[in-house]
Amino acid sequence: DGGITQSPKYLFRKEGQNVTLSCEQNLNHDAMYWYRQDPGQGLRLIYYSQIVNDFQKGDIAEGYSVSREKKESFPLTVTSAQKNPTAFYLCASSTPERGTDTQYFGPGTRLTVL
Amino acid sequence: DAKTTQPPSMDCAEGRAANLPCNHSTISGNEYVYWYRQIHSQGPQYIIHGLKNNETNEMASLIITEDRKSSTLILPHATLRDTAVYYCIVRAFYNQGGKLIFGQGTELSVKP
Repeated sequence: DGGITQSPKYLFRKEGQNVTLSCEQNLNHDAMYWYRQDPGQGLRLIYYSQIVNDFQKGDIAEGYSVSREKKESFPLTVTSAQKNPTAFYLCASSTPERGTDTQYFGPGTRLTVL
Repeated sequence: DAKTTQPPSMDCAEGRAANLPCNHSTISGNEYVYWYRQIHSQGPQYIIHGLKNNETNEMASLIITEDRKSSTLILPHATLRDTAVYYCIVRAFYNQGGKLIFGQGTELSVKP
């Protein structure tokens, strides 16, 4: 089955620790994205990557880092510099089709800082 | 990307059609209308999108008015599992770099 997987589903970390969230896709999509969602809020773009070994900052990149060494994988590291990291993190991927690019989302990782 | 306006909540009886409206009066010619839904604590699920023609897939139908200023998502036979927040998004094609802007959406409650 093609799709996007994110792991773990729930993650707890202590203040001051870095943590890495996994995102893998087997849809052969070129572009991948990380969004953050806070309770009752819309999604905010953290980083996106259009191609391997290249990525761009989104609206709220401070305190986060990413890498794109393989087409299938786009891990997100939440660093200790991120002031309020507790949130629901969503990964998405897309590819051009029918004149546009539809983004498909993974199931999300809920991060809680203790 | 153009702004969208949706009612905050709607109810629908199980087995009946759910018609979710969306206004996008400032839409421009190269902008598509997308619909996603999000069930509590899950990732958003893509439903359908269109440019100016009506579209149908296995999940839903999308009706876009001739002037493109509004659209309606139709779930033909709503089930309890269709209870979710539905988002209407208007977006141009940015060659894969564009973010999706989710507004407040419509919370659809399907009742037995």
